[in-house]
Amino acid sequence: KNEVEQSPQNLTAQEGEFITINCSYSVGISALHWLQQHPGGGIVSLFMLSSGKKKHGRLIATINIQEKHSSLHITASHPRDSAVYICAAYTNKLIFGTGTLLAVQP
Amino acid sequence: DGGITQSPKYLFRKEGQNVTLSCEQNLNHDAMYWYRQDPGQGLRLIYYSQIVNDFQKGDIAEGYSVSREKKESFPLTVTSAQKNPTAFYLCASRTPGEQFFGPGTRLTVL
Repeated sequence: KNEVEQSPQNLTAQEGEFITINCSYSVGISALHWLQQHPGGGIVSLFMLSSGKKKHGRLIATINIQEKHSSLHITASHPRDSAVYICAAYTNKLIFGTGTLLAVQP
Repeated sequence: DGGITQSPKYLFRKEGQNVTLSCEQNLNHDAMYWYRQDPGQGLRLIYYSQIVNDFQKGDIAEGYSVSREKKESFPLTVTSAQKNPTAFYLCASRTPGEQFFGPGTRLTVL
């Protein structure tokens, strides 16, 4: 079993829908990252969380330390949100989930 | 603008040749990392360095080597001993509170 599990692996949504991607981890962490990877490969760090909730534009990330669970929400989704979203747990190094491939259709 | 530069974006090599991937950062970050990404798998740590002139093996270090002679630079050499070198390679750097990734190098060994 991977130390960081994401669900779903693939997600197709219609433009405007509310999207949730989930991440569960089994290790003790000092931070949890949400990353975005577009075709072509470059990765952008969206959020780094150690507790609570963060919001940036239409993106919201939450973490529950006791339950070892984090969620990434996208409100009013748009085709430009189509990408792979990766959850990564930071111990003394980053441990990555395998990613969620999101396709938002117009 | 601060960031991480990796070059080249695409690299082709013949089997049996060593190849060095460049990673440069102007973020003044102490810690730097090399990851490998294969289709359908999460990123895996090859090597990391927390400070100049020091580095540690990650989870899949066999067949790779690194150096950290300058804070800004952390080159990765893929040696002929690496059995499956064709992959996407990402360099990253970190300070507490900040994590940056480079654009990656896609290495194809023919």
